[in-house]
Amino acid sequence: EAGVTQSPTHLIKTRGQQATLRCSPISGHTSVYWYQQALGLGLQFLLWYDEGEERNRGNFPPRFSGRQFPNYSSELNVNALELEDSALYLCASSFGAFSGANVLTFGAGSRLTVL
Amino acid sequence: GENVEQHPSTLSVQEGDSAVIKCTYSDSASNYFPWYKQELGKGPQLIIDIRSNVGEKKDQRIAVTLNKTAKHFSLHITETQPEDSAVYFCAASKGGSYIPTFGRGTSLIVHP
Repeated sequence: EAGVTQSPTHLIKTRGQQATLRCSPISGHTSVYWYQQALGLGLQFLLWYDEGEERNRGNFPPRFSGRQFPNYSSELNVNALELEDSALYLCASSFGAFSGANVLTFGAGSRLTVL
Repeated sequence: GENVEQHPSTLSVQEGDSAVIKCTYSDSASNYFPWYKQELGKGPQLIIDIRSNVGEKKDQRIAVTLNKTAKHFSLHITETQPEDSAVYFCAASKGGSYIPTFGRGTSLIVHP
């Protein structure tokens, strides 16, 4: 069974540009979560999508946005990139929001570097 | 909202020793407590979890204990090996529409 897949593995952008990161959940999972992991810091919750809808949003500015497609894959968009956006972006998936405890399975992450 | 505190931030042990990582949570409604291991260059992987109706769970060399009254839970690794070296994260969740809240992580270093 394929796990959570993320692309690209690495991405280098310059300040002010836009970045798009993609995530494919485990088959059967309908929830997708995005986390930011900056160097030396923990997992900061960004966004949660379930059944195509945004269910929850972390304490991040509006330039962080995303969506979930009908096949439950998801993309994270970061506009007007700033140097401090450099981080590992992790995607996780789980069964639906109301199926019980949120047991998350993580992908390997996308490393975004902003120069 | 939920707040999860994790200690220590760094733990250095000799191979064969035991390692203990502790977490506390604030929301008494939390009922699911997973532990994740993140190796260098990889995403976090679930290694063990415990639900609020259980006080202890063991899987080979790793075990997790939960004290609901005190609102804390711990990860115990016995007979540590160099391959146990990684960052470990605890989390607390109450399911439904609530997202899991993670601790800040513990960097475990096992010296051969």
